[in-house]
Amino acid sequence: LAKTTQPISMDSYEGQEVNITCSHNNIATNDYITWYQQFPSQGPRFIIQGYKTKVTNEVASLFIPADRKSSTLSLPRVSLSDTAVYYCLATDTGGFKTIFGAGTRLFVKA
Amino acid sequence: DAGITQSPRHKVTETGTPVTLRCHQTENHRYMYWYRQDPGHGLRLIHYSYGVKDTDKGEVSDGYSVSRSKTEDFLLTLESATSSQTSVYFCAISGGDRYNEQFFGPGTRLTVL
Repeated sequence: LAKTTQPISMDSYEGQEVNITCSHNNIATNDYITWYQQFPSQGPRFIIQGYKTKVTNEVASLFIPADRKSSTLSLPRVSLSDTAVYYCLATDTGGFKTIFGAGTRLFVKA
Repeated sequence: DAGITQSPRHKVTETGTPVTLRCHQTENHRYMYWYRQDPGHGLRLIHYSYGVKDTDKGEVSDGYSVSRSKTEDFLLTLESATSSQTSVYFCAISGGDRYNEQFFGPGTRLTVL
């Protein structure tokens, strides 16, 4: 599975759009890009998943360029409750052997 | 929320003792996983299961064994606990029509003295 690289931490203010970029230079043809969110003392929670181009759901958008060597998670108009750790993963079609990196710690300030 | 529970939620034990953690699901999902999470680190996969009696190793499997005798239960055993196994353990499940999405349990905090 491809290793992913993302910033260790980011700060933002309430109401701003936050973009977290993930690098995955060695992503395999069959790998999907999946993002999870984790609050303290809780297990991670699935946010969004994509293969290429753009995917949008009720909480986020995921942009994956044609070369698929990177991806960007976009959180529109963040609130204090979006303060969490965000993980970018390359997952195979079976979803097995997922590799979580250290994640990006997002801190949203008032 | 997915029906997934872990027991116990907290455990303190001594070095050298055996420990078994249980993950129970009510979703009838095929795949189950055990992760550990240490301070400042992401989750690391210990073992996973792709069906009853079908299991495989993850990236940090040394010192751990697993068993899955029925769909709903996935057991993680530390045969002889060491202080380096002090961690928070998360179970996850996936399957159905959203098999690429993992649902995580609440976690078990294990302390080995």
